Amino acid sequence: DTGVSQDPRHKITKRGQNVTFRCDPISEHNRLYWYRQTLGQGPEFLTYFQNEAQLEKSRLLSDRFSAERPKGSFSTLEIQRTEQGDSAMYLCASSWAGATQYFGPGTRLTVL
Amino acid sequence: QKEVEQNSGPLSVPEGAIASLNCTYSDRGSQSFFWYRQYSGKSPELIMFIYSNGDKEDGRFTAQLNKASQYVSLLIRDSQPSDSATYLCAVVAARNSGGSNYKLTFGKGTLLTVNP
Repeated sequence: DTGVSQDPRHKITKRGQNVTFRCDPISEHNRLYWYRQTLGQGPEFLTYFQNEAQLEKSRLLSDRFSAERPKGSFSTLEIQRTEQGDSAMYLCASSWAGATQYFGPGTRLTVL
Repeated sequence: QKEVEQNSGPLSVPEGAIASLNCTYSDRGSQSFFWYRQYSGKSPELIMFIYSNGDKEDGRFTAQLNKASQYVSLLIRDSQPSDSATYLCAVVAARNSGGSNYKLTFGKGTLLTVNP
């Protein structure tokens, strides 16, 4: 399977706990994006990496959120001190050049 | 004004009919336009992209772009029940196109139901 993969697919956590999600992009894609989608809404941009450099972060990405792509391959998104408002689908997408992005299956987060 | 607007629907069409999905965008300089299909509980799946004014056809799908009117549409011919999904319009804004960040701005999506 050469598509974008994400792990875990589902995460249930209690408010205040930390969670970490992983994204493996399509091999050799140098651009990696994180989006968040809530029910009834389109995905919203969170952050963007080109290779290992994090080049843009949305204002949606509070200081409780941090993302890394240490070797320019997989990426992690960590949410500290989760809140109920963090419940959403977290989507990862990758691209090689240009704008055409392919999405992974997403991680559905539920904060109780 | 929202950056990308879509009629939320639901849009209901009979099997075999043409489904027409519409999208308008606010950034006049936008260069790249995408349609994604999203089944309930799943992630977005790329259907088509279009960069130039006019029509682009791929199988049963036709994307139409009119930059002067800031309008992009998706036509689905011979609609099938398996086409029932939410269709998301996404745009790369002009202010992003000049750099390397091609972040997508999405509409809320249009729910399409194809009735057998």
